[in-house]
Amino acid sequence: EAGVAQSPRYKIIEKRQSVAFWCNPISGHATLYWYQQILGQGPKLLIQFQNNGVVDDSQLPKDRFSAERLKGVDSTLKIQPAKLEDSAVYLCASSPGQGVYGYTFGSGTRLTVV
Amino acid sequence: AQSVSQHNHHVILSEAASLELGCNYSYGGTVNLFWYVQYPGQHLQLLLKYFSGDPLVKGIKGFEAEFIKSKFSFNLRKPSVQWSDTAEYFCAADRGSTLGRLYFGRGTQLTVWP
Repeated sequence: EAGVAQSPRYKIIEKRQSVAFWCNPISGHATLYWYQQILGQGPKLLIQFQNNGVVDDSQLPKDRFSAERLKGVDSTLKIQPAKLEDSAVYLCASSPGQGVYGYTFGSGTRLTVV
Repeated sequence: AQSVSQHNHHVILSEAASLELGCNYSYGGTVNLFWYVQYPGQHLQLLLKYFSGDPLVKGIKGFEAEFIKSKFSFNLRKPSVQWSDTAEYFCAADRGSTLGRLYFGRGTQLTVWP
């Protein structure tokens, strides 16, 4: 079974620039999550999709972050404009839609804002 | 709000020493509990999980964890660590619902000296 694919692996941008991350979940997984992992901290949920609908985006800084999951498969997370404090690893995860089956994480995108 | 606490931020051990990493969660309802490991430069990997049944859960690489409901704890143990166990360990919990999302602890960095 192929894992959760994310790209790019690394990205360095200047503050106030924009950036986008892409995630392809495991085939058939209805639920997709974006997490932000700041150095020295555990991952924090940014947004959760169920198919192509948003379940939870309460922790997403909506003034600068946006995410979409067209057709209920791939997802993109965008930051515009980026701030220094957005430097983190952005993790995508997917699950079949019922928590009891667990979660599979991608390798993440490491973003550095300078 | 649900939270997960890991009390040990950095643990240093010699090879063959025994390991116990503490994890406590705050949610009083049904929970699923997880331990993930993250090796340098790699994605989160599931070590073990608890959904129900036997509170002593065995995972990969010789790790085990014990769910103690009265203490809201899910401590990770290994009787004899190896140098290759050097990594960051994350405890996580979800609420056991069909639309689960993971709450992570801040992680424990384990360093094993050969």
